[in-house]
Amino acid sequence: DVKVTQSSRYLVKRTGEKVFLECVQDMDHENMFWYRQDPGLGLRLIYFSYDVKMKEKGDIPEGYSVSREKKERFSLILESASTNQTSMYLCASSPGTGVYGYTFGSGTRLTVV
Amino acid sequence: DAKTTQPTSMDCAEGRAANLPCNHSTISGNEYVYWYRQIHSQGPQYIIHGLKNNETNEMASLIITEDRKSSTLILPHATLRDTAVYYCIVRERGYINAGKSTFGDGTTLTVKP
Repeated sequence: DVKVTQSSRYLVKRTGEKVFLECVQDMDHENMFWYRQDPGLGLRLIYFSYDVKMKEKGDIPEGYSVSREKKERFSLILESASTNQTSMYLCASSPGTGVYGYTFGSGTRLTVV
Repeated sequence: DAKTTQPTSMDCAEGRAANLPCNHSTISGNEYVYWYRQIHSQGPQYIIHGLKNNETNEMASLIITEDRKSSTLILPHATLRDTAVYYCIVRERGYINAGKSTFGDGTTLTVKP
């Protein structure tokens, strides 16, 4: 079964810490995405990548950065975590062309205290 | 990408058909309609997609109007496990923009015994 795996299901970090959220997919997909989900706000796109070492800003990139050194891995980085970054973070991937849908991971619920 | 509009919430009796509407009046000719659902505390799951013809799979049916400005997802015999948030999105087919789509708030479907 194809999968998108997020490294942690729950994470608690302190304000000011540097936080890494890891996502790995085993489907050889070109595109990978990071979303955050908050009550009443739906899913909001943070960053996406359509190739190794390529990245594009989504709708809410402020306070985040990303890294894609290998095709299967897409990392979201919070340089200095803040309490307003407490959220559910979802990683997704999709093939580069065609009409295929996304495959999502199970999510990481991050709490910044 | 074109935006979509969905009702905030809907109820459905167990065993009955659930019909979830979506408006996408600004959809362009090369944009597909996709449906996902998200069960509490999990990542969204792909259900079905279509361009202009009606589609059916083991999970659901998708009816797209002739002018493509709206669509309806049909769960033919809803069960309690179908209680979830359902997202309708539109997405271009193509390489560079392959996959950057906006998820709105979706429709919360509650299936009642």
